[in-house]
Amino acid sequence: AQRVTQPEKLLSVFKGAPVELKCNYSYSGSPELFWYVQYSRQRLQLLLRHISRESIKGFTADLNKGETSFHLKKPFAQEEDSAMYYCALSDQGGSEKLVFGKGTKLTVNP
Amino acid sequence: DGGITQSPKYLFRKEGQNVTLSCEQNLNHDAMYWYRQDPGQGLRLIYYSQIVNDFQKGDIAEGYSVSREKKESFPLTVTSAQKNPTAFYLCASSPSRGYTFGSGTRLTVV
Repeated sequence: AQRVTQPEKLLSVFKGAPVELKCNYSYSGSPELFWYVQYSRQRLQLLLRHISRESIKGFTADLNKGETSFHLKKPFAQEEDSAMYYCALSDQGGSEKLVFGKGTKLTVNP
Repeated sequence: DGGITQSPKYLFRKEGQNVTLSCEQNLNHDAMYWYRQDPGQGLRLIYYSQIVNDFQKGDIAEGYSVSREKKESFPLTVTSAQKNPTAFYLCASSPSRGYTFGSGTRLTVV
């Protein structure tokens, strides 16, 4: 069964510090991984997907199939990065439905 | 202005009543989804539809029903059989896993 684990419910860092939000997945096939972000009073929105290998708002995420991880990283956190972050997984070969982790609330302190 | 519209924003239901949450999109997306978001639980899939006149149960479909008579619309009915309906409900649509989310409906049972 597909499963996404985000081990940290809460993560707090200071502005300018590096940040890493952890995501581990369980899936036997070839998954597609995503990070979604929900800022306060805004809609949930796509941050990045591993296939595109892009950097959005300074965030990057590398798919590590050996460790079944897709951690989200940013070298220097900003206060505006404070939000709820969800990791999600999809079966590339099947339906387009996503399985989400329980989310990590990131707080960047001044 | 393309996007997904969910209505109403807030909904109150008496015990024993059925209520219907609206989700409309003008993005011409084939696939649409309903998720339930609870604190500490992340997003859990209720129902999804990949094409008009077809839909499948998600992980927590019991007590819910949907229809997909038009490409643009995917209403969710919360029936009296749903034991714990108080939650935040999110609708999404997708051309290919990069979901676009609505702003959500908060349902409260009174």
